[in-house]
Amino acid sequence: QVQVEQSGAEVKKPGASVKVSCKASGYSFTTYGISWVRQAPGQGLEWMGWISAYNGNTNYVQKFQGRVTMTTDTSTGTAYMEVRSLRSDDTAVYYCARDHPTAPGNRALDYWGQGTLVTVSS
Amino acid sequence: EIVLTQSPGTLSLSPGERATLSCRASQSVSGNYLAWYQQKPSQAPRLLIYRASNRATGIPDRFGGSGSGTDFTLTIIGLEPEDFAIYFCHQYGSSPLTFGGGTKVEIK
Repeated sequence: QVQVEQSGAEVKKPGASVKVSCKASGYSFTTYGISWVRQAPGQGLEWMGWISAYNGNTNYVQKFQGRVTMTTDTSTGTAYMEVRSLRSDDTAVYYCARDHPTAPGNRALDYWGQGTLVTVSS
Repeated sequence: EIVLTQSPGTLSLSPGERATLSCRASQSVSGNYLAWYQQKPSQAPRLLIYRASNRATGIPDRFGGSGSGTDFTLTIIGLEPEDFAIYFCHQYGSSPLTFGGGTKVEIK
């Protein structure tokens, strides 16, 4: 069965970086993409961007461009998202979810990781 | 960017009642690529409905989606205790992908 397992909670100081991992199993990793979505405490869902596990193409929301990098390791079926220059308002649960292989969207996000809480505090 | 507005913000109902949740888009959703998710506290969103009206795998038939263009509805017929949660709509027809602000269905 399809499973998506994310790395554990992180506590970071402002200005630091964090790298969250997302390991997929139960399906052919390179025939899908991965979207990243975050949720600040008590807030709604915010799409951050997408990466194709098929060809490595990425699509980032403009507000995150230059501060976020999404990558994949096809040998282990794992996606990664690094966020740099963390601020207090980056405190959120970060989710990865299975997406379309060649462009963000065009298929609903059907399998989600359990989420990774990133807390940014001095 | 397509803005999704959900209403009402909170719906107070009793088990067995019918819930009707609305999602309105600021512009037409391409391909009616509109999904609904259920989220419970400390859990990831769970896909219920995709492409406006198709139930995801394993979703009970008391959940139904309808609508097209800019107006979409999620209906839950006969609320079960486990249905009290927050529901989000999501458009995935154009980038950036966007989500509605959510509707909380609470026990009256």
